Amino acid sequence: DAGVTQSPTHLIKTRGQHVTLRCSPISGHKSVSWYQQVLGQGPQFIFQYYEKEERGRGNFPDRFSARQFPNYSSELNVNALLLGDSALYLCASSSLPGQGEGWPQHFGDGTRLSIL
Amino acid sequence: AQKITQTQPGMFVQEKEAVTLDCTYDTSDQSYGLFWYKQPSSGEMIFLIYQGSYDEQNATEGRYSLNFQKARKSANLVISASQLGDSAMYFCAMREVYNNNDMRFGAGTRLTVKP
Repeated sequence: DAGVTQSPTHLIKTRGQHVTLRCSPISGHKSVSWYQQVLGQGPQFIFQYYEKEERGRGNFPDRFSARQFPNYSSELNVNALLLGDSALYLCASSSLPGQGEGWPQHFGDGTRLSIL
Repeated sequence: AQKITQTQPGMFVQEKEAVTLDCTYDTSDQSYGLFWYKQPSSGEMIFLIYQGSYDEQNATEGRYSLNFQKARKSANLVISASQLGDSAMYFCAMREVYNNNDMRFGAGTRLTVKP
């Protein structure tokens, strides 16, 4: 079975531009979460979606937005890019939305975003 | 406030020996999950092991075991018979059932296995 797939793998943008990152969850998984991992740190939670509804939001500015599609794939959008947005963006899927125990998230390989 | 603490930025272990990676957490929820992930230099996050707050027995997955001490709020990862391929960053994470559905990660421990 295919794991979580993310595209693109690498991306270079300049300040002020907009970016869209894509994620396809593991087949059968209905929950998708997005994380930002800055070099040398642990991942930071951005969003969680389940059944196309936002279930959780981390401490990120409104420049960050996301959505989930009927096939459970997801997009993360970032507007007005800043140098500090340079990071590895990770997508994770799980079979449960988080309202119960036993819900390990499985991660994709990430999109490495560089802002010049 | 930081809820996951990994106090060991780096650890070294000899091949074939066991190593313990420390993790403490802070939560007021009674229902939560604790997770360990491995991140090689290539960047992917690999799920290793999970422990639920109501599980009475320590979780085990192959060479990985989780030493769960609820009263002390610690969830240490034990890797037995270390292999060169175990060299990576290891992250402890927690997910609270009633808090925003997010997963909080520690700062990580870089494990190096020596031949």
